[in-house]
Amino acid sequence: AQSVAQPEDQVNVAEGNPLTVKCTYSVSGNPYLFWYVQYPNRGLQFLLKYITGDNLVKGSYGFEAEFNKSQTSFHLKKPSALVSDSALYFCAVRDIEVDTGFQKLVFGTGTRLLVSP
Amino acid sequence: DAGVTQSPTHLIKTRGQHVTLRCSPISGHKSVSWYQQVLGQGPQFIFQYYEKEERGRGNFPDRFSARQFPNYSSELNVNALLLGDSALYLCASSSILGRYNEQFFGPGTRLTVL
Repeated sequence: AQSVAQPEDQVNVAEGNPLTVKCTYSVSGNPYLFWYVQYPNRGLQFLLKYITGDNLVKGSYGFEAEFNKSQTSFHLKKPSALVSDSALYFCAVRDIEVDTGFQKLVFGTGTRLLVSP
Repeated sequence: DAGVTQSPTHLIKTRGQHVTLRCSPISGHKSVSWYQQVLGQGPQFIFQYYEKEERGRGNFPDRFSARQFPNYSSELNVNALLLGDSALYLCASSSILGRYNEQFFGPGTRLTVL
């Protein structure tokens, strides 16, 4: 089965500094990878996805993610963090059931990002 | 345009009771998925419905059931509630089955089982 791991429960960064939220994946075949963000009392919001092509994926709110096949990683990045970026971030991978072709999202455990003023 | 809506926002039940959670997808979306998010964990897939048929089921007991109506709204039912069912239940809709252009999530229903 496909899976993703987010090794950091929390990431702290000062406003204006670059941020990185880490994600590694374990898949058979080509990975379809996603990042979602969750603000308090809100549902998940889609940030970006990697399907194929360019290893650097640009998404919403100035976020981008770098797909690295050799390191099986898909880290989320932003050049300059904002206090309003403070939230819970989830990495996810598409999982396909071979016999039925059914697809679903498998999420990591999440990383809390705290951006201090 | 309205996004995915879920009701109720919060719910408190006691062990053994049953609960029904509701979801309305984005207009034009025919696929609805349900996820359970326990505190401190990522969302876990429960069900996916498309065109009123169950297309996928996660590793959840038979106490969990769902259905989709002709207007593509959906209900998630949980019987014989356990303390461990306390979680945020998320509904997501997408326009195309099986293609993850993206899933659009609702705000969730917070279920507390006492």
